[in-house]
Amino acid sequence: SQQGEEDPQALSIQEGENATMNCSYKTSINNLQWYRQNSGRGLVHLILIRSNEREKHSGRLRVTLDTSKKSSSLLITASRAADTASYFCATDAKGNEKLTFGTGTRLTIIP
Amino acid sequence: KAGVTQTPRYLIKTRGQQVTLSCSPISGHRSVSWYQQTPGQGLQFLFEYFSETQRNKGNFPGRFSGRQFSNSRSEMNVSTLELGDSALYLCASSFTANWPQHFGDGTRLSIL
Repeated sequence: SQQGEEDPQALSIQEGENATMNCSYKTSINNLQWYRQNSGRGLVHLILIRSNEREKHSGRLRVTLDTSKKSSSLLITASRAADTASYFCATDAKGNEKLTFGTGTRLTIIP
Repeated sequence: KAGVTQTPRYLIKTRGQQVTLSCSPISGHRSVSWYQQTPGQGLQFLFEYFSETQRNKGNFPGRFSGRQFSNSRSEMNVSTLELGDSALYLCASSFTANWPQHFGDGTRLSIL
């Protein structure tokens, strides 16, 4: 079963706008990661945030983590057409090293 | 550094047959995980191998099996194929299972 659920399931925005997607999970975690998947390709790791961190930045990406609400958000600023992809959060629960992926958000950037 | 290589990229089989998929991890990575991705079920964890030992297994029937060799290369096998096994099978490697994983582009398996 999925550990995480992304919200929204699909998002369409104009190029240059910011995109925010959210992830909720069920159990206590060690880390939370975000991945991107272009159509028909494998996933690409974007960013990892540890359970004792609240915010992390990488280029145009900003990730927040709220362990009390068991949720995370991924913000992509100044979106580009190349950001069109599906985005997944992945968690590893305490005591279990395997990664469990969420259901994904399909992001479409309109030129 | 070469990425994760999965072969073949595409495969067509019929019901009842068996199939073996191959994954070559990034050099130095000892953990290899396998996932099944379908439109209906999303990304489902199959199993993870580390130094030739299966450390974690997902909720799949025994028809799905795998192994890892001493050079960290991994194979997964699916026997007695069913229509529902049609999916994109992804392999990922990492230093250990909960580190950032590096994915191959997958094997697209179609069952007729």
